[in-house]
Amino acid sequence: DIVVTQTPLSLSVTAGQPASISCKSSQSLLHSEGKTYLSWYLQKPGQPPQLLIYEVSNRFSGVPDRFSGSGSGTDFTLKISRVEAEDVGVYYCMQSIQLPRTFGQGTKVEIK
Amino acid sequence: QVQLVQSGAEVKKPGASVKVSCRASGYTFSNFYMHWVRQAPGQGLEWMGVINPSGDTTTYAQKFQGRVTMTRDTSTSTLYMELSSLKSEDTAVYYCTRGWQRFSDYWGQGTLVTVSS
Repeated sequence: DIVVTQTPLSLSVTAGQPASISCKSSQSLLHSEGKTYLSWYLQKPGQPPQLLIYEVSNRFSGVPDRFSGSGSGTDFTLKISRVEAEDVGVYYCMQSIQLPRTFGQGTKVEIK
Repeated sequence: QVQLVQSGAEVKKPGASVKVSCRASGYTFSNFYMHWVRQAPGQGLEWMGVINPSGDTTTYAQKFQGRVTMTRDTSTSTLYMELSSLKSEDTAVYYCTRGWQRFSDYWGQGTLVTVSS
């Protein structure tokens, strides 16, 4: 199974400041068809996860442009340009190049 | 709009089975793969398995092989996940998710399954 590792596991950010989360996979997530199967999800307190970013850098419908994703191969980053109160929760990255799908451990983001 | 509405919370004894349902609406159910993901209390997300659009092919995480069965009923746009031989470690929230381009774009609200004697 592909191991996905997130850092840090927790992040305390002042509202309006940027935040960054790293995600590393044990194998390349670049598929032979040219797509990279790495996505990001946010689980707000008491809610199911919601898709933020797919294929490394594509924002899902309705996701604010303060969220951006980057990276390639095995190293990826989610950035929030200016953290807002509604962004608190746990962020997960997930690989879907092969089954079983595997998630990172999650990064808990809170506002200072 | 796309909605995945799951069945209510369950309390089961060790060794019993549980069957969770997930009713889809707002899209053509038979066109999409469906996945199940679970989350133990205070823990992260764990992928359990996937069923193809026609319902004739499933792939399960090795951890659940022999204990889990995923099915779907196209006539009612409902997905099912049955987990048998329950143990206390199976206490978790179980989510159904729609598979879209190898990602999970919509999620059910979750079903809490508690296994306790």
